[in-house]
Amino acid sequence: IAGITQAPTSQILAAGRRMTLRCTQDMRHNAMYWYRQDLGLGLRLIHYSNTAGTTGKGEVPDGYSVSRANTDDFPLTLASAVPSQTSVYFCASSDGQDTDTQYFGPGTRLTVL
Amino acid sequence: GQNIDQPTEMTATEGAIVQINCTYQTSGFNGLFWYQQHAGEAPTFLSYNVLDGLEEKGRFSSFLSRSKGYSYLLLKELQMKDSASYLCAVRDSNYQLIWGAGTKLIIKP
Repeated sequence: IAGITQAPTSQILAAGRRMTLRCTQDMRHNAMYWYRQDLGLGLRLIHYSNTAGTTGKGEVPDGYSVSRANTDDFPLTLASAVPSQTSVYFCASSDGQDTDTQYFGPGTRLTVL
Repeated sequence: GQNIDQPTEMTATEGAIVQINCTYQTSGFNGLFWYQQHAGEAPTFLSYNVLDGLEEKGRFSSFLSRSKGYSYLLLKELQMKDSASYLCAVRDSNYQLIWGAGTKLIIKP
């Protein structure tokens, strides 16, 4: 593994189903983030974690939950998917250095029907 | 509210220079980032400004004026591979990134 990986790459999901998007990083970054990206809108923060064992809510947290059991993994769960959750989901991590630059995974394209 | 404004789309010619502007109104300021995003791919980091002035990195430069709430990304000697969206993001007082919707840059031969 090099950097951040996400799984699945894409998924079509029936409304009402539960879904977990996986994110793993091997850079030993403390902070991790989940964003959604919709056409015509900027990236919007769903949840974040500043360090293992802690999580926080971003701009659009409703309908999503996260956990951070260890440094490497930061899964995002949709408890009961709705069509408005159709989006591209990006996981990111940051290095905590001077600029605290965020580095992104390849994304998961999710369609909820 | 917090707001980041960028033009939706720009067109430029291969070999030319293009300037992409970004204006922001945020609660606090802790740095401004530019990212490049090719269609269907993840955003990748281009530049960071926290102090006023110009930061140069090869063909790309980024400028910041905190008093004006303004930044621009300057791309020189444009290549076809520069066709992408360019995202401006500001880190606010809560240390979260606020993102613009991005500027789609189209390069023509």
